[in-house]
Amino acid sequence: EVQLVESGGTLVQPGGSLRLSCAVSGFHFSLSTMSWVRQAPGKGLEWVAMLKEDGSDEYYVDSVKGRFTISRDNPKNSLYLQMNSLGVEDSAVYYCATGGQKYFENWGRGTLLTVSS
Amino acid sequence: QSVLTQPPSVSAAPGQKVTISCSGSSSNIGINYVSWYQHLPGTVPKLLIYENDKRPSGIPDRFSGSKSGTSATLGITGLQTGDEAEYYCAARDSSLSAWLFGGGTKLTVL
Repeated sequence: EVQLVESGGTLVQPGGSLRLSCAVSGFHFSLSTMSWVRQAPGKGLEWVAMLKEDGSDEYYVDSVKGRFTISRDNPKNSLYLQMNSLGVEDSAVYYCATGGQKYFENWGRGTLLTVSS
Repeated sequence: QSVLTQPPSVSAAPGQKVTISCSGSSSNIGINYVSWYQHLPGTVPKLLIYENDKRPSGIPDRFSGSKSGTSATLGITGLQTGDEAEYYCAARDSSLSAWLFGGGTKLTVL
């Protein structure tokens, strides 16, 4: 069974930093493109970042470029999202998802980030 | 603001059929695959349709997808109260090198 479990979400002050993690199991993580998708309160889904299976190519939505970094540790079956210079607009539930080449197949339950003073 | 445009809401009676449109452009839907997701509040988003018209294992054939030019459509027949959810289309945008989601369509089964 495919499982994705996000963690790390919490309350952070504006300007702060945080790293989200996604622990996966049940599929060949090292062969899978992975993505982060978020949903701000009362808003729709927004793709945030994508990373190829070997970490060779990474892509970001314009609003997080230069502030967020997606990374992975294939031996640990883990995906990460390092977030710096956080603003209130980054407050959202962050979902880890498999895919990003053609579609997002499996999703985690998400982790909540709140940016507030 | 989403570059993929969906109606904010649709509604129909149980047992009826509904369609949800998703309008894009030549750099996204026009040249890339469209996928559709169902999201109920407090739950995990679920892949309903991938590569324009394919259903993952376990998705009933009441759900269908199609694409024509720069638009795509999700169809749901035999509506059930359990289908009430937010539905999103998505496609890669080759000009932006980014993924786009539509703004979402709230389905109400009256």
